[in-house]
Amino acid sequence: GIQVEQSPPDLILQEGANSTLRCNFSDSVNNLQWFHQNPWGQLINLFYIPSGTKQNGRLSATTVATERYSLLYISSSQTTDSGVYFCAVLISNFGNEKLTFGTGTRLTIIP
Amino acid sequence: DAGVTQSPTHLIKTRGQHVTLRCSPISGHKSVSWYQQVLGQGPQFIFQYYEKEERGRGNFPDRFSARQFPNYSSELNVNALLLGDSALYLCASRRGGISYNEQFFGPGTRLTVL
Repeated sequence: GIQVEQSPPDLILQEGANSTLRCNFSDSVNNLQWFHQNPWGQLINLFYIPSGTKQNGRLSATTVATERYSLLYISSSQTTDSGVYFCAVLISNFGNEKLTFGTGTRLTIIP
Repeated sequence: DAGVTQSPTHLIKTRGQHVTLRCSPISGHKSVSWYQQVLGQGPQFIFQYYEKEERGRGNFPDRFSARQFPNYSSELNVNALLLGDSALYLCASRRGGISYNEQFFGPGTRLTVL
């Protein structure tokens, strides 16, 4: 099956710093999503981005489908950005669909 | 509009018991998927249902089963619970029918097996 790897696994930053999280995937995908998982386990949708670039406030994401990677940028980090960030890719095969999650990046923002 | 809802939020069971978890999708969404997230790992796909039919199944034993009802809500059943079934169980919904649709997750049910 498809492999989805994220880097770095852990990231500790001072408040106000910028960061780039990477997601590599091993095969062509139908879509890609970025999530932020808060301490209570809730997965919060950040981006639905099978290709191209999107921005939402301090966050932006770029997916280069032909090269099989996606990047999540966080600028001017705040303590509320702490948590685990997951990318997830969807492959659809004759109506059989599943999201495969990456290994996650744990981000800690220090005041 | 309400998001995806799941019940119960927490559950404690003992080995060998049976458990039923419930999920209500976002209004208008016809596809529901179930995921298991063990502590420290990413969610793992269990099942996908669309229009009450199973459309996908992950690598889980037959102790795991699910169904979708006419109102598109869904149940996940796990029989003969093992300690290793302790996890956060997440339900996701999407509009369905076409792959290029965003999935939205519920808050999860945290299952502890003693």
